[in-house]
Amino acid sequence: GAVVSQHPSWVICKSGTSVKIECRSLDFQATTMFWYRQFPKQSLMLMATSNEGSKATYEQGVEKDKFLINHASLTLSTLTVTSAHPEDSSFYICSAKEAYSSYNEQFFGPGTRLTVL
Amino acid sequence: AQKITQTQPGMFVQEKEAVTLDCTYDTSDPSYGLFWYKQPSSGEMIFLIYQGSYDQQNATEGRYSLNFQKARKSANLVISASQLGDSAMYFCAMRETSGYALNFGKGTSLLVTP
Repeated sequence: GAVVSQHPSWVICKSGTSVKIECRSLDFQATTMFWYRQFPKQSLMLMATSNEGSKATYEQGVEKDKFLINHASLTLSTLTVTSAHPEDSSFYICSAKEAYSSYNEQFFGPGTRLTVL
Repeated sequence: AQKITQTQPGMFVQEKEAVTLDCTYDTSDPSYGLFWYKQPSSGEMIFLIYQGSYDQQNATEGRYSLNFQKARKSANLVISASQLGDSAMYFCAMRETSGYALNFGKGTSLLVTP
């Protein structure tokens, strides 16, 4: 099956710093990638939809200036958490849909656990 | 409004027994897709099974089957012959034609006991 990687798998940073998380589709092209956030013992909540070559679409309540998304190629989307604060500590998961495919499955990355001190 | 409802926060099942995890959904879209994912403690999301709204037959994938009752808007996951490795969180999700993003339910924690 298709593989999606995320890097880093975990990160600890100080409050006020910025953190970049990468999401890569390793063996397929993805015109659309999704970023989800999952707080402990809660469900996945969609943060934004990332489309290659265009601006991301953010869900209501998600600050686009705080969570910067770039989808510069068909295999890479990045999420940058700017000026991170402890409340941003969460599990961030990306998923990707294969381009030009009518297949319905989304392929998820392994997630990135962010801890802001 | 919650589009996916999973009413069972936690479930226990004995090894080798079958278990049903409930999921109901709400949509006015005639075309939609329903998914089940397994999330072990490592956090990765593992795709289990998919059911399209126009599919006539219930989806099956090995030990997983989806009991799709369209009129009731339910899409329950049935796991047959439970194994210890099935212990995990299980999420039901829906995709509507407005996009490919998934709406997830709150999940059900399944514990398989020896």
